[in-house]
Order: sequence, then C-alpha cells, then structure tokens
Amino acid sequence: GQQLNQSPQSMFIQEGEDVSMNCTSSSIFNTWLWYKQDPGEGPVLLIALYKAGELTSNGRLTAQFGITRKDSFLNISASIPSDVGIYFCAVRTSGTYKYIFGTGTRLKVLA
Amino acid sequence: DAEITQSPRHKITETGRQVTLACHQTWNHNNMFWYRQDLGHGLRLIHYSYGVQDTNKGEVSDGYSVSRSNTEDLPLTLESAASSQTSVYFCASSGGMNTEAFFGQGTRLTVV
Repeated sequence: GQQLNQSPQSMFIQEGEDVSMNCTSSSIFNTWLWYKQDPGEGPVLLIALYKAGELTSNGRLTAQFGITRKDSFLNISASIPSDVGIYFCAVRTSGTYKYIFGTGTRLKVLA
Repeated sequence: DAEITQSPRHKITETGRQVTLACHQTWNHNNMFWYRQDLGHGLRLIHYSYGVQDTNKGEVSDGYSVSRSNTEDLPLTLESAASSQTSVYFCASSGGMNTEAFFGQGTRLTVV
C-alpha cells in the first residue's frame, strides 16, 4: 500500500532548541496534515496544508507543503517540555476522505 | 462542545471472545474511521464509513467489522479476538473537504 516515510523516528533535544522533521511519499497528494499525540491521548491536528509550496504557521510551529506534492516538513521553534509527544504526518487520499499516516516522530525534550 | 468519545478506555478480553468497541461523535460528521496503533506501524486504517449504512474495508480489516446505523456511532466488533489484535484503537470523524479528522482518546485492548 501507499506509505509515508517520516524522519527522524525519534529525537532528544534540549529545551529552547529548534526541531525539524519531515515526511516523504512516492506518490503525489493534495492535502498534507500534521498531528501531535500526547501520551495516552488521541492525535490532535496541528496544521493542514492544501496548496503546493504553502507555508503555514501555528504559534511556534511552521509547516510547508512541498512543491512536488510528495513531501512536507514541520519545524518547531524554541522547544519547551510540553512539546513532548509523537508527531504524525498524514495525507488525505485524492478523491476520498481517507487518511494515510506516517509512522511518527517521537520527540523528547530535555529541560 | 462537540466531541468524539470512545468506550471503554481499557479492556482485557480472552482469545476467541467477541468484543465491541464503541465510538460516538456529536460533530454530525458523515465520515468516521477506525485505526489501530502499534509500535513501528503508526496508525493503520481498519474500517471507515462515509455515511449511514455505508461501510468500507481499510488496509487491516481482517477479523474486524463495523456497522453504521446512525450518523453518530460507528461500533467496531472483533468477531473472535486474537492476541495479534492487542493494540490501541482510535476512532476518528471528519466533516468532508477541509474539515479534517478529529480523534477520540483511544481504547487500549489486551487479548490474553
């Protein structure tokens, strides 16, 4: 089936550092999403991207939809302890309302 | 406030038993989904529904079934639970174009 390759799988960073993670696909998708999952909770939508090349911010988070429509990245600036969690990229498959999720990036922030 | 709720939050069952996980949303969304989350696999789609009486198989549907008799609910049934179905299950709903999925808090199922 279709797959999203998400990297890195996990990362430890110091509080205050910037974080970058990305997601790639071998297929073109027209909607890219980033979700965050806190421990013991369901994923929560952070940013939705609908246009190739689009750069969208949500507070300290910035995400971009790649020009080729085969990738996206998420940046977190000045990380804080509550940024801990798993970040998932996802795409909505064209012509449907189904979602495909990446395997996630587990972020741990060291105070 | 509108929400999506799953029950139970935790369940332990024995191999071979039938188990039903509940999902209820008050968003009035047409689209509902069931995913399972396992280490190293992310979220994998089990079944989904685009409206009442509509159900479709996802990528890991074997051993699972769903029914959609109203807009608010999409229960997930494990016909004969197996140890390989030990997982965390998430229900989600979405409203359509540019109204992306909201997730429930998950059900942790252990099959012993």
